[in-house]
Amino acid sequence: EVQLVESGGGLVQPGRSLKLSCVASGFTFSNYGMNWIRQAPGKGLEWVAYISSGSSYIYYAETVKGRFTISRDNAKNTLYLQMTSLRSEDTALYYCARHVTYWGQGVMVTVSS
Amino acid sequence: DIQMTQSPSFLSASVGDRVTINCKASQNINRYLNWYQQKLGEAPKLLIYNANSLQTGIPSRFSGSGSGTDFTLTISSLQPEDVATYFCLQHNSWPYTFGAGTKLELK
Repeated sequence: EVQLVESGGGLVQPGRSLKLSCVASGFTFSNYGMNWIRQAPGKGLEWVAYISSGSSYIYYAETVKGRFTISRDNAKNTLYLQMTSLRSEDTALYYCARHVTYWGQGVMVTVSS
Repeated sequence: DIQMTQSPSFLSASVGDRVTINCKASQNINRYLNWYQQKLGEAPKLLIYNANSLQTGIPSRFSGSGSGTDFTLTISSLQPEDVATYFCLQHNSWPYTFGAGTKLELK
């Protein structure tokens, strides 16, 4: 069974940093591209970032480019999202997803002073 | 960016009804369109991938159609457990973009 478990969320002040993790199990992590997708409270879904299986290809939404960094450790079956210069509009539930097929339960990030 | 226009945003239907939800892309996305179901407090679940392929384990009352710019999700006979929000996703080109969602309730 595919499982994706996100962690690392919480309350953070504007301008600060936070790093999310997503531990994968139930499949060969190193074979799949991975995404971070977010959903602000009461809003729709927004794709955030993608990383290919071997980290050769990385893409970001314009709203986070230059502030967020997606990475992965295939030996640890873990996906990361390093978020810096956080803004109130980054407040959202962050999901990791195996490409666009399986999604985790999400982790909440709240940016507020 | 490709804009995905989803309609309706809200839908009320009775058990046994045939339900259709539409997504229109602002440009050709071939068949790279997925449909998801999201129940309150749960992660989104993939129902249909690449416009018309049923994901493993999804009941056959769910189906998808379309190509190019116009796509439809159909529930052939609505069941109580289908109450959820449904949304589409285009994965033809970056950035991937989502429809705004359709909230489906029982009448």
